[in-house]
Amino acid sequence: ILNVEQSPQSLHVQEGDSTNFTCSFPSSNFYALHWYRWETAKSPEALFVMTLNGDEKKKGRISATLNTKEGYSYLYIKGSQPEDSATYLCAPPGATNKLIFGTGTLLAVQP
Amino acid sequence: NAGVMQNPRHLVRRRGQEARLRCSPMKGHSHVYWYRQLPEEGLKFMVYLQKENIIDESGMPKERFSAEFPKEGPSILRIQQVVRGDSAAYFCASSEGVDGPQHFGDGTRLSIL
Repeated sequence: ILNVEQSPQSLHVQEGDSTNFTCSFPSSNFYALHWYRWETAKSPEALFVMTLNGDEKKKGRISATLNTKEGYSYLYIKGSQPEDSATYLCAPPGATNKLIFGTGTLLAVQP
Repeated sequence: NAGVMQNPRHLVRRRGQEARLRCSPMKGHSHVYWYRQLPEEGLKFMVYLQKENIIDESGMPKERFSAEFPKEGPSILRIQQVVRGDSAAYFCASSEGVDGPQHFGDGTRLSIL
């Protein structure tokens, strides 16, 4: 059973602040890591699928890095906006590609 | 290009009734996954299907729950003789292949009276 941990559990920042949070996962038998953004009352939205050690992916003001040897990934948001408020989930796929979700980081951006 | 479509959005059932949740994957996607979010908990995997085949059902309760993805038509998650503990949000996701992102529907909120 994969153990996926995300920290912090929640985060409150001011509009314009940059922020980051962490996803830790078992480094053995690494295959891929998915990041999702989940806004309240909506469906989880795929952000990135990361596969290579040292990978860095970017989508607008959001970027992510991956370290498969030590088993962690960082998600960065530059210049946070209120519309970035959401729960950010990471999920390595287990056997058969089922996603094993972490508990998420709840981000609240105050205008 | 429509996304993953789930219906109904909300479903209310009395204890002992049957619940049928439908999921139409994105066009061109043959992999379908069902996840459940119980109150105050995170998303948990239930079952993975690929056209007419169940690939992994390790997250699905052994009794009362079944899933199918027929050659034609949507994937169906069926819960027989529902109990209060089945109240949850049920999300369906689809992917084109095994390596790509899974795209989620808006979910079905199931409430058991």
